[in-house]
Amino acid sequence: AQSVTQLGSHVSVSEGALVLLRCNYSSSVPPYLFWYVQYPNQGLQLLLKYTSAATLVKGINGFEAEFKKSETSFHLTKPSAHMSDAAEYFCAVSLSGGYNKLIFGAGTRLAVHP
Amino acid sequence: DARVTQTPRHKVTEMGQEVTMRCQPILGHNTVFWYRQTMMQGLELLAYFRNRAPLDDSGMPKDRFSAEMPDATLATLKIQPSEPRDSAVYFCASGLGQSATGELFFGEGSRLTVL
Repeated sequence: AQSVTQLGSHVSVSEGALVLLRCNYSSSVPPYLFWYVQYPNQGLQLLLKYTSAATLVKGINGFEAEFKKSETSFHLTKPSAHMSDAAEYFCAVSLSGGYNKLIFGAGTRLAVHP
Repeated sequence: DARVTQTPRHKVTEMGQEVTMRCQPILGHNTVFWYRQTMMQGLELLAYFRNRAPLDDSGMPKDRFSAEMPDATLATLKIQPSEPRDSAVYFCASGLGQSATGELFFGEGSRLTVL
C-alpha cells in the first residue's frame, strides 16, 4: 500500500533562512505526490504537485519540491523563509485510478522566528 | 469564488447525542471526501464518493458513523451516538475526479467536541 512519511513533526527556522521539509514515499508503482499547507483554523490548500512530468516542481509562495526516485523522496524547500510561512505542511500521495484519493503524512509544523 | 462550504463550523455536544455535519462541494465537482483530523492520528480518510456513489468507507467506524450524498450539492456525515473519542476536526473536500493528479479543495472544517 502507498504511504508517505514526514520526518520531523516540528521544524523551526529563522526568517530569511532556508526551509527544508522532508517527505519520503512508499509505493510499488509510480506515485503522484502533493504538498498541502494548512494555516491555523483553516482547511488545506495545494502548494504543488508532482505528476511525472518534471521532477522539479514549483509551487505557490516560492516553494518547490524535487522528486527523487532513487531516494523515494519529495522534499519541500524554500530559499528564504517568511513569517507568513508559519503553518502545518502535509505531504500526500495518490495513485492512478484513485479519483483524487489522497493519503496524507502526519504533517510538519513550521515555525518561523524573527 | 468557488469554495467548499461546511456547517457547522463548531459543535459542542454531549456523549450519546446525534451529530450531523454537512458539506456543499464546489459546483461541478464529482468526488467528495470526508477526512478527520486529530493530534494523535493526523488526517484520516473516512469515506469518499464519486458521482454520489460511495466508493470507499473503510476508514469509518460503521457502527456509529454514516455518510451520504442525498444530491450533488450536499454531503452529510452523521455520528450516532457520539462519543468523546469522536472529538476532532472533520474536513470535507471535493475534486473533479478525472484523474489521480487533480487537486482536492478543502472546506474550513467542522470542529466537534463531545463531552
